[in-house]
Amino acid sequence: SQKIEQNSEALNIQEGKTATLTCNYTNYSPAYLQWYRQDPGRGPVFLLLIRENEKEKRKERLKVTFDTTLKQSLFHITASQPADSATYLCALVPGYSSASKIIFGSGTRLSIRP
Amino acid sequence: DTGVSQDPRHKITKRGQNVTFRCDPISEHNRLYWYRQTLGQGPEFLTYFQNEAQLEKSRLLSDRFSAERPKGSFSTLEIQRTEQGDSAMYLCASSLLRTNMNTEAFFGQGTRLTVV
Repeated sequence: SQKIEQNSEALNIQEGKTATLTCNYTNYSPAYLQWYRQDPGRGPVFLLLIRENEKEKRKERLKVTFDTTLKQSLFHITASQPADSATYLCALVPGYSSASKIIFGSGTRLSIRP
Repeated sequence: DTGVSQDPRHKITKRGQNVTFRCDPISEHNRLYWYRQTLGQGPEFLTYFQNEAQLEKSRLLSDRFSAERPKGSFSTLEIQRTEQGDSAMYLCASSLLRTNMNTEAFFGQGTRLTVV
C-alpha cells in the first residue's frame, strides 16, 4: 500500500542543536517533496520544495535532502530555537504526474527546550 | 488579497444536521483542495478542483460529503446527516498549477466542526 511515514510523533531537542526530521514514502514516485510547518489551531505553512533531481535545498537555517533510492527526505533545522517548536509535515504529489493532488504525512511535533 | 479564507471558523452542530463550509482561495489560484485533520494527524485529502472541475474525490469520503466550485473561484463543502465521527478541522488550500507542476499550497485557518 502507499504510505508517507514521518519518524517519531514527537522530537525534543536542546536549543542550539540541529533537529533532523525524517520522511519515508512507500509505493510512490514523486517528482518533488514539500515541507510545511503547522502551529496549533492554524493551517500548514509552506517551507521548502525539493525536486527529484535535486539532492539538497537550503533556506536560511533549513536544509532538505531527497534520496529517491532510499525513498526518503530529511529535514534539518540548524541552530534550533524555541520559536521553531511546531509540527512539521512532509507532502508529496503521488504518481508520475507532477500535476496531481498533494498528500501529507502525519507530521512530527518538534519541541525545542531553552 | 489576504490569502485563503474559510468561513465559519467554528461550527457546532447536532448529529443528523447538514452543514456547509465556504472557502475563498487566493484569486489567481486555479487549484483548490479540501482536507480533514484530526488531532495528532496530518491533513487527510478529501477532494480537489482545477478551476471548476472536481478532479478527484477520496475513496474514504462517503456520499454524505459533497463539494462544489461552481465558477472556479470559491468552493463549498457540504456534509449531510452529520455524525460524531465527522468532528474534525476542515482545511482548504489553494495553489497555482503552472506548466503542469503544482506550486506550494496555501492554507486557510480551517473550520473546526464539532458534532454533538
